Amino acid sequence: GDSVTQMEGPVTLSEEAFLTINCTYTATGYPSLFWYVQYPGEGLQLLLKATKADDKGSNKGFEATYRKETTSFHLEKGSVQVSDSAVYFCALSAFLKAAGNKLTFGGGTRVLVKP
Amino acid sequence: DSGVTQTPKHLITATGQRVTLRCSPRSGDLSVYWYQQSLDQGLQFLIQYYNGEERAKGNILERFSAQQFPDLHSELNLSSLELGDSALYFCASSVADGGSYEQYFGPGTRLTVT
Repeated sequence: GDSVTQMEGPVTLSEEAFLTINCTYTATGYPSLFWYVQYPGEGLQLLLKATKADDKGSNKGFEATYRKETTSFHLEKGSVQVSDSAVYFCALSAFLKAAGNKLTFGGGTRVLVKP
Repeated sequence: DSGVTQTPKHLITATGQRVTLRCSPRSGDLSVYWYQQSLDQGLQFLIQYYNGEERAKGNILERFSAQQFPDLHSELNLSSLELGDSALYFCASSVADGGSYEQYFGPGTRLTVT
């Protein structure tokens, strides 16, 4: 079945540091890929998405490129802020007529940015 | 604010009881999804409805059921509750039924079974 693997946290960084969170996937067909962010005590917010190979999703300084050859969708940000402290989830949606388009999530990576 | 609303925000109940969680999707969204988030299982897909019809089932226990009403709001019913059912339950919605459509999540209902 479909699966998503992302690096375990916590990842602790200083403000203005470079952030990378690795994400790899296994899926049938051609999935769409997503990054969601969960701030403490809140629901999941869509951060960015990519729907086909070589697409780059970007939002709020975060970027991720859909790499079909390495089945990866790594999240990057050039200069993190304290407000980026959260849990980040990589997810895929592989639409199958018989199975809808559920999201399959990775385990989440907690990021802590210190001033 | 995603536009997806969930009630109640918190629910505390005893083992063996039954509860109902409610979700209103974003205006215009036809698909509703339910997910469970727990420390040991992570985020797990439970069930999807599209325009009132069940579309897909995931790791949903037989004690759990859901439905989507004509006004597109959805309810998740959890019965014969066990301690292990304590979790955060999220509802999400999307405009249609396709893999490229992003899902927007509500704030969740935190269920505590004592």
